[in-house]
Amino acid sequence: DVHLVESGGGLVQPGGSLRLSCGTSGFAFSSYWMTWVRQAPGKGLEWVANIKIDGSQKNYVDSVKGRFTISRDNAKNSLYLQMNNLRAEDTAVYYCARDLDYFDGKIYYDVFDYWGLGTLVTVSS
Amino acid sequence: AIQMTQSPSSLSASVGDRVAITCRASQGIRSDLGWYQVKPGKAPKLLIFGASILQSGVPSRFSGSGSGTDFTLTISSLQPEDFATYYCLQDYDYPRTFGPGTTVEIK
Repeated sequence: DVHLVESGGGLVQPGGSLRLSCGTSGFAFSSYWMTWVRQAPGKGLEWVANIKIDGSQKNYVDSVKGRFTISRDNAKNSLYLQMNNLRAEDTAVYYCARDLDYFDGKIYYDVFDYWGLGTLVTVSS
Repeated sequence: AIQMTQSPSSLSASVGDRVAITCRASQGIRSDLGWYQVKPGKAPKLLIFGASILQSGVPSRFSGSGSGTDFTLTISSLQPEDFATYYCLQDYDYPRTFGPGTTVEIK
């Protein structure tokens, strides 16, 4: 079975830093892109970042560029999100998801097929 | 960034009802659209990708249609476990963007 478990969330002051981890099992981690998605309290889902299988390509939503860094350790089957200079608006549950490139013979689709339960990050003084 | 809108933002329906949720993209996105179901305290669940491809294990009462800018998620006969919030997501371009969500509530 595929499992993803996020950890590292907590309460941090504005301007502070936090490192989230996502431990995985049940699939060949090094063969998949991985993604972070967040959900602020009472709000909708927001895609945050993704990373290619070898870490050579990373994409971010504009609101976190220059502050967040996504990374991975394929030897440890783990995904990370380093969050610096945190703001109140970064308060959210952060989910990691497996990012499957599905090819239907013509087009590649970016599909988040397995998700963790999330870890809560609260930015407050 | 591509903007995604959904309608309605919420709806009340009864078990057995046919429900349709629409999603519109601010520009053409081919069929690069997925639908996700979110319930409180649970991991989000992929329902549909490629606008109309049913994810393995998802009941056939869920279906998706559309291409370009207009898309629809249909639940043919609402079941008790379907009461949740549904989000569309475009994977045509970066940044990936979700719609604001549609909450399906019990009437």
